[in-house]
Amino acid sequence: QPVLTQPPSSSASPGESARLTCTLSRDINVRSYNIYWYQQKPGSPPRYLLFYFSDSHKGQGSGVPSRFSGSKDASANTGILLISGVQSEDEADYYCMIWPSNTWVFGGGTKLTVL
Amino acid sequence: QVQVVESGGGVVQPGGSLRLSCAASGFTLSNYGVYWVRQAPGKGLEWVAVMLSDGRRKYYEDSVKGRFTVSGDNSKNMLYLEMHSLRPEDTALYYCARDHEIWGRGTMVTVSS
Repeated sequence: QPVLTQPPSSSASPGESARLTCTLSRDINVRSYNIYWYQQKPGSPPRYLLFYFSDSHKGQGSGVPSRFSGSKDASANTGILLISGVQSEDEADYYCMIWPSNTWVFGGGTKLTVL
Repeated sequence: QVQVVESGGGVVQPGGSLRLSCAASGFTLSNYGVYWVRQAPGKGLEWVAVMLSDGRRKYYEDSVKGRFTVSGDNSKNMLYLEMHSLRPEDTALYYCARDHEIWGRGTMVTVSS
């Protein structure tokens, strides 16, 4: 069973960039998967942000600002969510997800605090 | 407006049963894969089950296999999650999602004596 590992917490000051990581277990290769990212604020359902496979195969959720972007670090078997110009409203939990064989696997989530 | 709305949650004793519903509007549910995801209080997201767009292929997370069943009613544009032999660890907010993009607000299931 694949495992996605996310740091439990991260922080950034307004205007800075936040880099959230999602490391895949060794039995799966990040090169092979779309990495999906969700944002969840207290009392709300997850909001789909984007998916990233490669620079030529990626997608942004409806209404999601372009300051949210995805990438991969294949050497670290890791998917990355980059939030440029962090705003106070970006304070939330962020989850990564992959979609192997008709199942969904989620990371444990990262709580982003905006200082 | 494209949306899904869950209902049917409640409080049930261990060993009991519940049927959750997922109502779609603005699109035809049977044209999409529909996923159930749960979130225990204060915890992360956990995939539970899926019914693919062919209506035949259904997959379940290991801990719910044999206890939970997904079904659909195309005439009502609805999807259901039948849950039996419920355990305290099934306590969670249950979300219905159309593919990866459209999520409902969830319905709460509490399993407690």
